[in-house]
Amino acid sequence: NAGVTQTPKFQVLKTGQSMTLQCAQDMNHEYMSWYRQDPGMGLRLIHYSVGAGITDQGEVPNGYNVSRSTTEDFPLRLLSAAPSQTSVYFCASTTEASLNTEAFFGQGTRLTVV
Amino acid sequence: DAKTTQPTSMDCAEGRAANLPCNHSTISGNEYVYWYRQIHSQGPQYIIHGLKNNETNEMASLIITEDRKSSTLILPHATLRDTAVYYCIVSPFYGQNFVFGPGTRLSVLP
Repeated sequence: NAGVTQTPKFQVLKTGQSMTLQCAQDMNHEYMSWYRQDPGMGLRLIHYSVGAGITDQGEVPNGYNVSRSTTEDFPLRLLSAAPSQTSVYFCASTTEASLNTEAFFGQGTRLTVV
Repeated sequence: DAKTTQPTSMDCAEGRAANLPCNHSTISGNEYVYWYRQIHSQGPQYIIHGLKNNETNEMASLIITEDRKSSTLILPHATLRDTAVYYCIVSPFYGQNFVFGPGTRLSVLP
């Protein structure tokens, strides 16, 4: 049982490049989300999904796309990377199907855009 | 904006209880109080949550005031491994759509 797995752990991009941050969970959780964390700040919600085929915007969605074709995977796409997107990205999953409502977070992807 | 207010930082002696306060004066009746912590910029880790009753688990205790406008997370015997940033979050959703503030940086000192 791996929980929430994010890849890659580190990435350096040039301005204008595109890339996809991967997130996978093996807990059959219906709810998944992406957050970003800038230095000295709390996490901010980018996009979330309440189930396969359903996504919605969070607090800071601009510059990011998501899709949810399966329950397990929730990739985050940067269409044209900008230095302002330099941050640490966390994926999380949770379920309403049990009394335990904790969210499980991945270990993060540290992205630098130069 | 975060719906909670926490001290920026706190120190605690190893072996002593760490009491972390949180103000959430605008909390709604259907909102839970969650506590998470983040160690060395790893992914946040769930600690405990509650609605209106005090809660205890193997990690901590959560004391919520009767008017629900504030709460205190208690780590009964703090260890060096408890050094982390602690986030107090209020949310009506089960573990979802959290609004994180800057949290409290707890330093446990030997």
